[in-house]
This record gives sequence, C-alpha cells and structure tokens, in this order.
Amino acid sequence: GESVGLHLPTLSVQEGDNSIINCAYSNSASDYFIWYKQESGKGPQFIIDIRSNMDKRQGQRVTVLLNKTVKHLSLQIAATQPGDSAVYFCAERETSGSRLTFGEGTQLTVNP
Amino acid sequence: EAGVVQSPRYKIIEKKQPVAFWCNPISGHNTLYWYRQNLGQGPELLIRYENEEAVDDSQLPKDRFSAERLKGVDSTLKIQPAELGDSAVYLCASSLGGTSVYNEQFFGPGTRLTVL
Repeated sequence: GESVGLHLPTLSVQEGDNSIINCAYSNSASDYFIWYKQESGKGPQFIIDIRSNMDKRQGQRVTVLLNKTVKHLSLQIAATQPGDSAVYFCAERETSGSRLTFGEGTQLTVNP
Repeated sequence: EAGVVQSPRYKIIEKKQPVAFWCNPISGHNTLYWYRQNLGQGPELLIRYENEEAVDDSQLPKDRFSAERLKGVDSTLKIQPAELGDSAVYLCASSLGGTSVYNEQFFGPGTRLTVL
C-alpha cells in the first residue's frame, strides 16, 4: 500500500548546527504534507506544513522543502537547540480525505 | 485554552481483560480522531468522527475494538478482550472539522497501554 517513510532513523547534531531530516513518500495522490515534532510522553505537535503547489515554505527556524518529482520531503532546522531534541514525523494527506499517513520517525538528538 | 485531554495516561492490564480510554477534544472541535502508535512508529488512524458520526473506521479492528462519541463531544475507545499486540500508545486528536483538509489536528498526550 501507500506509505510514507524516513531515510534516517536517528540524527545527532551539535547545538547551533543546522539539522536536515528527510522523508520519502510514495502516494502520488498526496498533495499536502506536514511535519510533526513529538517529545517523550507527549502527542505529536504541528511544526510546519506545505501544499503540493509549493516547493519551499519557511517558518521560524524551520524550512520545509518538497520535491514532487522524486517524492521527497525535508525539514531543515536552523541553529538547532537542545529543545529541538525529539522524534520528527512527516505525514501526508490526500485532498480527497483527511486521513493522515505518518512515516516512521527520526530521532533528533542535539548535543550541547 | 485547554488542549486535548486523555485519561488515563498509563494502563497496565493482563491479556483478555477489557480496557477503555477516554478523550475530551478541544472545545468547538467537531472532528475527533483515535490513533494507535507503536514504539518507534508513526501514529496510525483507527477511527475518525465528524460530530457523533464515525466517518472513517476502516482501520478499526472491529472484532475487539469499539468506539463511541454519543453526544459529539468526548469519546471512548474500548478494547475487549485485549491482546499482547495491543500494547501501544493510543492518541486522540481533534480538529475544527468541515471539509477542509487543512484543518490542523491537535493531539492529546496519549494513553500508554501495556498488556501483560
């Protein structure tokens, strides 16, 4: 079936460095994508989203890039901080419904 | 504004026992979701409600799982009987609802179920 997955299960960076978390998706009908952050013991928290008519969207310290040609999504975190340590999930959704399909998650660890 | 409330936060039961989880969505949110999250995995949708109507329950194992949202506000998810493989975090989420697919889903903290 259709799936969303992540290339790297773990990522360790130094505080202040930039982080890049990648995600591949396979459902060509998906045209809305979301990045979530999940801290231990908490539910996923919305970070940033992007629609398929865009290839880049920026938020505060975060940027999402979408490459529809190769079905690839990435989350860039600038000046990574210890508070950014968490599991990051990408999720996709078809406009025909509101079911979110999540990937497996990347554990980001920020070393002081 | 209070977020999505779930209880209990943790539950340990023996296999074959029943268990129930409760969720109170954000006030005014018509859409309510129940997800299951296995360790190291992303959440998987079990059921989605629009008000009191279950509009997507295709991934709910109906032989042992049931859910209700009688008044279109809070909801209960039940497992009876529980199996070892049901050990997971059960997340509830809510959104404003309607036909827009861009309504943000807000997640509760989840209930961690351990079946022994």
